Amino acid sequence: GESVGLHLPTLSVQEGDNSIINCAYSNSASDYFIWYKQESGKGPQFIIDIRSNMDKRQGQRVTVLLNKTVKHLSLQIAATQPGDSAVYFCAYSQPLGNTDKLIFGTGTRLQVFP
Amino acid sequence: EAGVAQSPRYKIIEKRQSVAFWCNPISGHATLYWYQQILGQGPKLLIQFQNNGVVDDSQLPKDRFSAERLKGVDSTLKIQPAKLEDSAVYLCASSPGSGGDTQYFGPGTRLTVL
Repeated sequence: GESVGLHLPTLSVQEGDNSIINCAYSNSASDYFIWYKQESGKGPQFIIDIRSNMDKRQGQRVTVLLNKTVKHLSLQIAATQPGDSAVYFCAYSQPLGNTDKLIFGTGTRLQVFP
Repeated sequence: EAGVAQSPRYKIIEKRQSVAFWCNPISGHATLYWYQQILGQGPKLLIQFQNNGVVDDSQLPKDRFSAERLKGVDSTLKIQPAKLEDSAVYLCASSPGSGGDTQYFGPGTRLTVL
């Protein structure tokens, strides 16, 4: 079946370093990809998204890269801060009739140490 | 702009009891979603409403779970009777469009079934 997976369940980085969180997907029909951040006890928070007609999109300290050839998505966080510690989910939009649904991966925990 | 509201935040019940969760989406959002998030996993879509109609409920265990979105605004999710494996966080989200756009999540309701 269709799936979204993450290569690394836990990522530990030093404060100030750059972080890269990876995601593989298998649905070639998907045209919308999202990264969410979830802190303990909270709901997922939107970080950044990208559509399939793009291969890179930048936000504040975050960049999402999309490689449709190998069905790979990554989230880059520049100058990682303690407040970035959370679980990060990639998700992709799957066609559903006249609309779409969102499929989430299992998540990667980002730990930032001083 | 007020976010997605959910209540209660926590609920503890015994198996075979009933429970109901409430969600108030962001004003004007057409699509409302209920997700189940088991500890250590990504959110799993249970049901998706567009206005007051059901778009997708393929993952909803209909023998015990029910949901409604009267008047296309607030929504309730009910479990009757609850099982131990229903212990999870139940997340509500809403999006302005018809699906496939950015979803905004509430804080979730943590359910513990004893």
